Amino acid sequence: QQPVQSPQAVILREGEDAVINCSSSKALYSVHWYRQKHGEAPVFLMILLKGGEQKGHDKISASFNEKKQQSSLYLTASQLSYSGTYFCGTVNISSGSARQLTFGSGTQLTVLP
Amino acid sequence: DAGVIQSPRHEVTEMGQEVTLRCKPISGHDYLFWYRQTMMRGLELLIYFNNNVPIDDSGMPEDRFSAKMPNASFSTLKIQPSEPRDSAVYFCASSPRGHEQFFGPGTRLTVL
Repeated sequence: QQPVQSPQAVILREGEDAVINCSSSKALYSVHWYRQKHGEAPVFLMILLKGGEQKGHDKISASFNEKKQQSSLYLTASQLSYSGTYFCGTVNISSGSARQLTFGSGTQLTVLP
Repeated sequence: DAGVIQSPRHEVTEMGQEVTLRCKPISGHDYLFWYRQTMMRGLELLIYFNNNVPIDDSGMPEDRFSAKMPNASFSTLKIQPSEPRDSAVYFCASSPRGHEQFFGPGTRLTVL
C-alpha cells in the first residue's frame, strides 16, 4: 500500500524552512527519501532503517517515528537547488522483501528567489 | 563511473509491437531494479534482481512484461505485445546492497 505524503505541494522563498511528511498504514522496516527534478531521474537522499533514527544530508535531515509509522523530511534554509519533487519510499515489515520499495505520490517543492 | 546507462532514451512504437528496454548497471552493484513512472500511478517497482537472479516480480503488471538479467552488466525489460497504456518512463536503478538506489536517466516509451 502506497505511503501518504503531505503536503502535495509547497512554495517557499530561498532561506525558508520546509517539512514534508510521509505516513504509512503498515509497520515499516525502512523509509527512503529521493528527490526528482523535472525530466530527470530520482536521486537518493537518505535512508532511515531504525525507529527514531535521524539522518542528515547538508541542510536536509529526516526522522523516522517507528511507532507512528511515519517519517518527516526537514529542509532548512532552503536553496534554489532544493526545488523538485520529493518522494518517500517505504519498505513494510510484512512485505517479505527488504528491498521492495513502495513510493508515495510525491511532494512538489518550489523555492523562489 | 558512468552511472546507470539505459537505452534507448526515447521509444515510440505502435500498439502490438515488441519493445525491449536495456540497462547497464553500475559495476559492482549487486542489485538491479526496474521501475515505471506515470502521472496516474506514480513510481512503481516492477521487478528486482539480486546477483542476476529475479527476487520479486510481483509488480510486473501482466504476462506481456518480462525481464531478464543474463549477466551482472546487462538487463532487459521486454513488453510483447505493447499497448497504449504501457506508455510511461521506465527507470532502471542499481544498488550495492539494495538500499540506496542509483537511477538511470530513464526510457520514455510512447505506444501509439
